[in-house]
Amino acid sequence: QQQVKQSPQSLIVQKGGISIINCAYENTAFDYFPWYQQFPGKGPALLIAIRPDVSEKKEGRFTISFNKSAKQFSLHIMDSQPGDSATYFCAARNQGAQKLVFGQGTRLTINP
Amino acid sequence: NAGVMQNPRHLVRRRGQEARLRCSPMKGHSHVYWYRQLPEEGLKFMVYLQKENIIDESGMPKERFSAEFPKEGPSILRIQQVVRGDSAAYFCASSPKGRAGRNSGNTIYFGEGSWLTVV
Repeated sequence: QQQVKQSPQSLIVQKGGISIINCAYENTAFDYFPWYQQFPGKGPALLIAIRPDVSEKKEGRFTISFNKSAKQFSLHIMDSQPGDSATYFCAARNQGAQKLVFGQGTRLTINP
Repeated sequence: NAGVMQNPRHLVRRRGQEARLRCSPMKGHSHVYWYRQLPEEGLKFMVYLQKENIIDESGMPKERFSAEFPKEGPSILRIQQVVRGDSAAYFCASSPKGRAGRNSGNTIYFGEGSWLTVV
């Protein structure tokens, strides 16, 4: 119930392509869904986040698509660049709670 | 740029020793969280603290682990009698207090982490 399942585990995309990472959840009490970007040896950095009352949020080249009925959300990185190569984590927060539940992570590699 | 400050960044301990990890939240933040990241895995919640109070410790192992966030000074995560399985990256995060004393919850900022190696 508290799990967030993330796929794929690793992803290789050519420069300029679209990177897509998917997450699914079971707990309908989740009310906040952030994505974090983590470079090796660094802490996770908040990239973009969405609430379930909207179906899409876009910030620059990053877009979250949210499907409430399917209990799925995804991160799209348009015009992917080598500098986007990192590990990406989706997460979810339970309404009324403070802690984030994280997915397993996706290691993204953008080939030049 | 006063982000979440963690130290030490790297710590090596022998089995049976104690590890103390410190975390200073961002300026103005009164909520602190500790997460653990095992190699090639996601982050697992350990504990959520406010000043002088443990709010949620549902992710803390029952033995050897403890956390505090005193009125003055940084938050401390203490691991006693470390074992090899404790080797991991420990991340501290902080967030501001929301309206009416409630956590805004939406903006959680992470530190750079403390990498513990038990030999």
